[in-house]
Amino acid sequence: QLQLQESGPGLVKPSETLSLTCTVSGDSISSSSYFWAWLRQPPGKGLEWIGSFFYSGGTYYNPSLKSRVTISVDTSKNQFSLKVSSVTAADTAIYHCARHVANGWYWIFWGQGTLVTVSS
Amino acid sequence: DIQMTQSPSTLSASVGDRVTITCRASQNINSWLAWYQQKPGKAPELLIYKASSLESGVPSRFSGSGSGTEFTLTISSLQPDDFATYYCQQYHSSSYTFGQGTKLEIK
Repeated sequence: QLQLQESGPGLVKPSETLSLTCTVSGDSISSSSYFWAWLRQPPGKGLEWIGSFFYSGGTYYNPSLKSRVTISVDTSKNQFSLKVSSVTAADTAIYHCARHVANGWYWIFWGQGTLVTVSS
Repeated sequence: DIQMTQSPSTLSASVGDRVTITCRASQNINSWLAWYQQKPGKAPELLIYKASSLESGVPSRFSGSGSGTEFTLTISSLQPDDFATYYCQQYHSSSYTFGQGTKLEIK
């Protein structure tokens, strides 16, 4: 059964870099069938797609965040990671990792999410 | 970016009611629309994809319709488990934007 689990610091200072990891069990992130994604949701607000990668096909970012976001992969640990640089209070959110199929950019499987607060 | 606008923002209804939530796109997205249900403290759950296709395991009281710029999610007979927040999401363009959500409350 597929499980995704986010981990990382819950508090980040303004102007620093937010770093999170998603650990995947029940599937391989090097699978040729799926994209792996990060999304976020500010408390009490709506959802925002951050970016996705396809192991053998590249990485795709939300144009509004592209300059500050990097998604990387560690296949030996079956993990993928998110870095958001130069964070502000507007980056405070619950961050989810998720999986989607190549021909459908909607998300069926999600991690439970982890809250990251940007504050000094 | 394609903007997604849901109405109403809040909807009060009773168990057994038929309810409809509307989602409008700022430009034509064909049928590239998904609907999600989210309960407090939980990740969203996919209900509908491609505007009207029911995700496996989702009760048949949920249905979706529409194409182009106007879409609806209908729950034919509300059950206690359905009181939650609902989001639409377009996947026509590469920002994959969501609506602001519709909170379905018990009347």
